[in-house]
Amino acid sequence: DTGVSQNPRHKITKRGQNVTFRCDPISEHNRLYWYRQTLGQGPEFLTYFQNEAQLEKSRLLSDRFSAERPKGSFSTLEIQRTEQGDSAMYLCASSLTGTGNEQYFGPGTRLTVT
Amino acid sequence: GDSVTQMEGPVTLSEEAFLTINCTYTATGYPSLFWYVQYPGEGLQLLLKATKADDKGSNKGFEATYRKETTSFHLEKGSVQVSDSAVYFCALSDRGGGSQGNLIFGKGTKLSVKP
Repeated sequence: DTGVSQNPRHKITKRGQNVTFRCDPISEHNRLYWYRQTLGQGPEFLTYFQNEAQLEKSRLLSDRFSAERPKGSFSTLEIQRTEQGDSAMYLCASSLTGTGNEQYFGPGTRLTVT
Repeated sequence: GDSVTQMEGPVTLSEEAFLTINCTYTATGYPSLFWYVQYPGEGLQLLLKATKADDKGSNKGFEATYRKETTSFHLEKGSVQVSDSAVYFCALSDRGGGSQGNLIFGKGTKLSVKP
């Protein structure tokens, strides 16, 4: 069990550029979540996958955001036309059905939009 | 909607002091409750959980009891150490109301323990 991994750990981009983040969940976990965390706040839910199906999206996930989990394993989160307000830590978590929704988090990708 | 409220920090204690971090929640269904900890420069780690009323979660000397009557899940530790310095997050997962189990977090409480 190598834990949840995320890449890159840090991303600095100019406003208007597109960025893509990757999350590799714990291998046997079928559920995958994306959250966003800003300074001094708790994580806020963005979207959720069960296997390859995206089952829920938060109202925070504007149409500039898209997430995929093509084979039910790793997931990508893409932000198009980044804005300064997108600067945050993007967290990925995974869990296994039947474990009481114990979610295990990755280290996060810190995005800075200049 | 569902929400979690936890005491504002920062909380500063001396080593071996007793710790309580208050957490209350609002939920329409029957939530599971969690405490996560974030050490400096690290990701969120699950500290403990409770899935039904009167359950007590415990780990690493920390405890929290699910109190349905007061909608609370306060975190306690009898004797804190410098290594407990971190940010603590209370969270709930509403198993009802159509939710798929995403976590709803409080804002976090920063704990600093001085030697």
